[in-house]
Amino acid sequence: SQQGEEDPQALSIQEGENATMNCSYKTSINNLQWYRQNSGRGLVHLILIRSNEREKHSGRLRVTLDTSKKSSSLLITASRAADTASYFCALEWDKIIFGKGTRLHILP
Amino acid sequence: DVKVTQSSRYLVKRTGEKVFLECVQDMDHENMFWYRQDPGLGLRLIYFSYDVKMKEKGDIPEGYSVSREKKERFSLILESASTNQTSMYLCASSSYRDEQYFGPGTRLTVT
Repeated sequence: SQQGEEDPQALSIQEGENATMNCSYKTSINNLQWYRQNSGRGLVHLILIRSNEREKHSGRLRVTLDTSKKSSSLLITASRAADTASYFCALEWDKIIFGKGTRLHILP
Repeated sequence: DVKVTQSSRYLVKRTGEKVFLECVQDMDHENMFWYRQDPGLGLRLIYFSYDVKMKEKGDIPEGYSVSREKKERFSLILESASTNQTSMYLCASSSYRDEQYFGPGTRLTVT
């Protein structure tokens, strides 16, 4: 069945470094979305990339989509303490499915 | 700004009680969703709705029902609460195939 698989499950990096997390899936999608969830807060949408797009940017965020490999990556550049959160990919086709998330911890 | 509100942040109910979780959005979105979030399992879709009086089952609908009588309101109903329904419940809304806006969540404990 369709499911987003994030990799890695957890990631710790030093402040200022770049963080990369990946999402793989199995079948065709209409779009792929990335969300962030800070501790104690709700989910916030970061970027939506459609199946006919290959790359999108938003501030320090860069998302790529490779439909031939059925994978996407989220890059956060120049990480900050406030980036500490869980990051989820969500696949949209005739419904929407979230992955289990990557827990990112930014070390001071 | 889009606002999705949920009726309670924290709720404690007893096994067997009927539980209503309400969600209201103010952006005239067509789509509304109910998820539950559990540690290690991520978000799992319970039910969704693409229009008033319309509902579709998600991945884990058993033990739940929903109601959407008005476009802005989507209710999740636990007919007879059980301890395995203790969870964080998240409501979301969106326009067609667009980003979802989430409410703050309701942490439900069933004892």
